[in-house]
This record gives sequence, C-alpha cells and structure tokens, in this order.
Amino acid sequence: KNEVEQSPQNLTAQEGEFITINCSYSVGISALHWLQQHPGGGIVSLFMLSSGKKKHGRLIATINIQEKHSSLHITASHPRDSAVYICAVGETSGSRLTFGEGTQLTVNP
Amino acid sequence: GAGVSQTPSNKVTEKGKYVELRCDPISGHTALYWYRQSLGQGPEFLIYFQGTGAADDSGLPNDRFFAVRPEGSVSTLKIQRTERGDSAVYLCASSLNQLRANTGELFFGEGSRLTVL
Repeated sequence: KNEVEQSPQNLTAQEGEFITINCSYSVGISALHWLQQHPGGGIVSLFMLSSGKKKHGRLIATINIQEKHSSLHITASHPRDSAVYICAVGETSGSRLTFGEGTQLTVNP
Repeated sequence: GAGVSQTPSNKVTEKGKYVELRCDPISGHTALYWYRQSLGQGPEFLIYFQGTGAADDSGLPNDRFFAVRPEGSVSTLKIQRTERGDSAVYLCASSLNQLRANTGELFFGEGSRLTVL
C-alpha cells in the first residue's frame, strides 16, 4: 500500500464543472502539498497545508489531520486546468516529500 | 529570472560517462531539494540541503551519485559512470529557511532531462 494515495487516477470533466481530487496518507506529516504538473514537466506549487483550508482563486484545498485526508477542489473548471495534480506529504520523521501517483485531469471545452 | 533555474535542460550522454546537473535556486532560499522523476511516475527524493550541508542524502541511490552546494546557493548533482537506468528528469526545488523540512512553499525548476544511451 502506498503511503500516499490519490483518487481518481484519471478525471475527465466538461468546462464549468466542479472538480474534486482526493488524497489519503498513512504517515505522520508536517505538511501536505498540492502540486500541478503540466506536460513537459514543470511543477508548480498550488498549496502547502498543515491544517484547515486554503483558497486561491478557483482552487480550494482542505485537510483533515485526524482522518489523514486532503481534497483539492476546482470550481468552474476550464480547459487550461488540464494537468496532472499531485499530492505530496512531508513526513514528520524526515526530509523527503512522498508523492502520490498524481491525478490526470482533462477539462473539455 | 526570479525562479529556480536548472541547466542543462536536456543532456544526452553515453553509458559510463560523467554528468553534472546544475541548480540555481531562488536567491535567499536556504533549503534545496533534488528529486528524480522517471517517465509516468511521481518524483522520488534524492537529497536535501539546508544551507551548505546535506541534511539528508538518504535518497541517493548509490555511491555513483553525489551532490554539493559549497556556498549555500548553487547546487550541482554529479553522476559518475552513468547507466541507462539513470535516464530521468532531475528536478530541483528550493524553499525559504524552515525549521523543519518541507514546511515551506516549494519552488521547482523546469528539470534537467537526462538520457543515457
């Protein structure tokens, strides 16, 4: 069992739809990161969370420490949101980030 | 630019050769991370620097891999006697000083794509 599991692996949506990507983890963490990776490899940090909820534009990220679960929501999705979304956790016991497998999101016009 | 810069963006080499990959972090960022991403997989941790010292090098796969950051800014990842299995995108990320690793926002470079023939 992976320490960080994301669902779904692939998601196709129509423009304007509300999107949720889930992340569950099994280790103690110091922080959880949501990252976006476009074709060609560039990774952009979207959020860094250790508790509660953060919002940036149409993106919302929540984390429940007790349940070891985080969600990334995209409101009013747009084709330019198409990318791989990656959940990564910083473990309390070390320096490494452990990455989820990523969720490939495709938003069709 | 103001972001994390990695060079070269692409490197093709022959098996057995020596390779250096460079990362120039955002000015003032004391934390620097190297990751490796193989095709279709998530990044995997290699090494973490806090300032000039390697605070955690437990992700380096073997002694052919070495990284330095002599002045606490630019870092170089060095790979000796390259093997075909070393082919991957090598990603560098930096972050402002933090008491605990990975508790600050991470800024990634575009990566260096290494192909070993």
